[in-house]
Amino acid sequence: ETGVTQSPTHLIKTRGQQVTLRCSSQSGHNTVSWYQQALGQGPQFIFQYYREEENGRGNFPPRFSGLQFPNYSSELNVNALELDDSALYLCASSDAGTGGRGPQYFGPGTRLTVT
Amino acid sequence: GENVEQHPSTLSVQEGDSAVIKCTYSDSASNYFPWYKQELGKGPQLIIDIRSNVGEKKDQRIAVTLNKTAKHFSLHITETQPEDSAVYFCAAPPGSARQLTFGSGTQLTVLP
Repeated sequence: ETGVTQSPTHLIKTRGQQVTLRCSSQSGHNTVSWYQQALGQGPQFIFQYYREEENGRGNFPPRFSGLQFPNYSSELNVNALELDDSALYLCASSDAGTGGRGPQYFGPGTRLTVT
Repeated sequence: GENVEQHPSTLSVQEGDSAVIKCTYSDSASNYFPWYKQELGKGPQLIIDIRSNVGEKKDQRIAVTLNKTAKHFSLHITETQPEDSAVYFCAAPPGSARQLTFGSGTQLTVLP
């Protein structure tokens, strides 16, 4: 059984640019959630995808968008990057039968730095 | 929405002692409470979880207790070891929502 994987591990971008982060869910899981973790804080929910549809969204602007593919992998896209977008971006996979009310397993994260 | 408060923010214990971290939540409809351990440079690792129909759950040196009436739950680590040193987060899903709301974290340091 493979765990959650994310790529890339680190990324440096300039303010105003766009970025795409990728996530492969754990084997057997069909739901992917994305979180943003600023330094010294707990993860903040961005959105969740189930069956290729957005299935819940946190308090993030529309320039944060995502996709889920038929193999349940997912992408997080951020447009018009701002300095405050610098953070660790975490992907978590879960079973749709439990959704947010059951185990979510996190990947190692992508560290994004915006300069 | 859900509000999760976690205390203390830092905790230092001697190796072999016990550590207790406490969280309170605001949404009485929350029914699932996980705890995560995050080591430096890594993603959060699920270490134990509890559902609202259970008052306590144990897994070796780790236990979680839940008081639904008071809306708080706690993580207990016994016989602490240096490798237990990490940041610990509690979390809860707000009501019928599917996301997790996290506490602010506790930096646990186990002194040899």
